[in-house]
Amino acid sequence: DIQMTQSPSSISVSLGDRFTITCRASQDIGNYLSWYQQKPEKSPKLMIYRATNLEDGVPSRFSGSRSGSDYSLTINSLESEDTGIYFCLQHKQYPFTFGSGTKLEIK
Amino acid sequence: EVQLVESGGGLVQPGRSLKLSCAASGFTFSNYYMAWVRQAPKKGLEWVATISTSGSRTYYPDSVKGRFTISRDNAKSSLYLQMNSLKSEDTATYYCARQEGLLDYWGQGVMVTVSS
Repeated sequence: DIQMTQSPSSISVSLGDRFTITCRASQDIGNYLSWYQQKPEKSPKLMIYRATNLEDGVPSRFSGSRSGSDYSLTINSLESEDTGIYFCLQHKQYPFTFGSGTKLEIK
Repeated sequence: EVQLVESGGGLVQPGRSLKLSCAASGFTFSNYYMAWVRQAPKKGLEWVATISTSGSRTYYPDSVKGRFTISRDNAKSSLYLQMNSLKSEDTATYYCARQEGLLDYWGQGVMVTVSS
């Protein structure tokens, strides 16, 4: 199975700051990596697909990138509505596997 | 608008069975793979099952293989998850999701609690 190691597990960031989350894949997954945001008691919302593509309706302050086996989600100029849990998903092969999640709070 | 609405959750004793349903609307259901994903309380997400458009192919992780069965009725735009021999570790919120390669739309989830 492909392991997705996500870091950090939680972080507190100031409004307007830049923030990056990373998922490291244990095997090659090409760019079959998506990022989701989950608010409390809500279902996950797709933010980034195929590692670097912004889903329709997602603010442009969100971006995705890849460096080798490391996939990153960056939020530029953090806003209060960005709080929640973020996690990655690899869909290169079954079993699909998720990162463990990053809880983002406002400082 | 894509909508996925799960139902059928509840409290069930260990070893018993439960069947979840997911009603889909807002897209051509028969054109998409569909999946189930679960999230245990205060835990991360775990993919549970995927089914092909026709239902001829199904995929499961080892944790549920042989106990869970995913199925679909394209005429009713409905997805199902039959869960047998339930264990306490199956306690989770279960989401149905549309699978377009990745999982692009998710339902609101339904809670399943396995406890005596």
